[in-house]
Amino acid sequence: QSVLTQPPSVSGAPGQRVTISCTGSSSNIGANYDVHWYQQLPGTAPKLLIYVNTNRPSGVPDRFSGSKSGTSASLAITGLQAEDEADYYCQSYDSSLSGYVFGTGTKVTVL
Amino acid sequence: QVQFVQSGAEVKKPGASVKVSCKASGYTFTSHTIHWVRQAPGQRLEWLGWISAGNGHTKYSQRFQGRVTLTRDTSASTAYMELSSLTSEDTAVYYCARESLGGSSIYWGQGTLVTVSS
Repeated sequence: QSVLTQPPSVSGAPGQRVTISCTGSSSNIGANYDVHWYQQLPGTAPKLLIYVNTNRPSGVPDRFSGSKSGTSASLAITGLQAEDEADYYCQSYDSSLSGYVFGTGTKVTVL
Repeated sequence: QVQFVQSGAEVKKPGASVKVSCKASGYTFTSHTIHWVRQAPGQRLEWLGWISAGNGHTKYSQRFQGRVTLTRDTSASTAYMELSSLTSEDTAVYYCARESLGGSSIYWGQGTLVTVSS
């Protein structure tokens, strides 16, 4: 039931920029439903990074940014830091499932 | 500050049911919807459903329809998730989360590990 597809892993050296894609379809992202992004450190609850496609909650560094176009969305991390090593998930609503869905998840590794 | 405290870890046998609680504090409980999300070991996040804490309306994931029941006790500012007919595939950490910004969830409980084993 994985309707939002993410790359399993991305990696980068400290200071570099990495992007994570979230590919959906005409029943979710392509239907103009909002996309949210979460960071999850091992053994902890998810933390909201980006809401409604491009917005950062208070306290989230501006190194994190979100975008959306067509049936896809992306999360960019600039100035990669060791503390960014975590799993990242996108989330949206799917009209064919009549419910919320999460992406397959992406593990970010800082080299 | 907004906080959610979930009930402790559970071990259940296949076929049994489990009920997890999620006590809210720091805001008006009836003003927000509560979502339930689970994560099996090494797997992605999976949405189970939501309940309006104000009027009790619910919406369940099609995958769990008929097996999951969400309720709330407004006097105790507590939401509950009950999952029945458990199998080993239901072994997971179960989270409650408050809907906030545009349908996202900024406030999460600490998670409750449910282990299903014979």
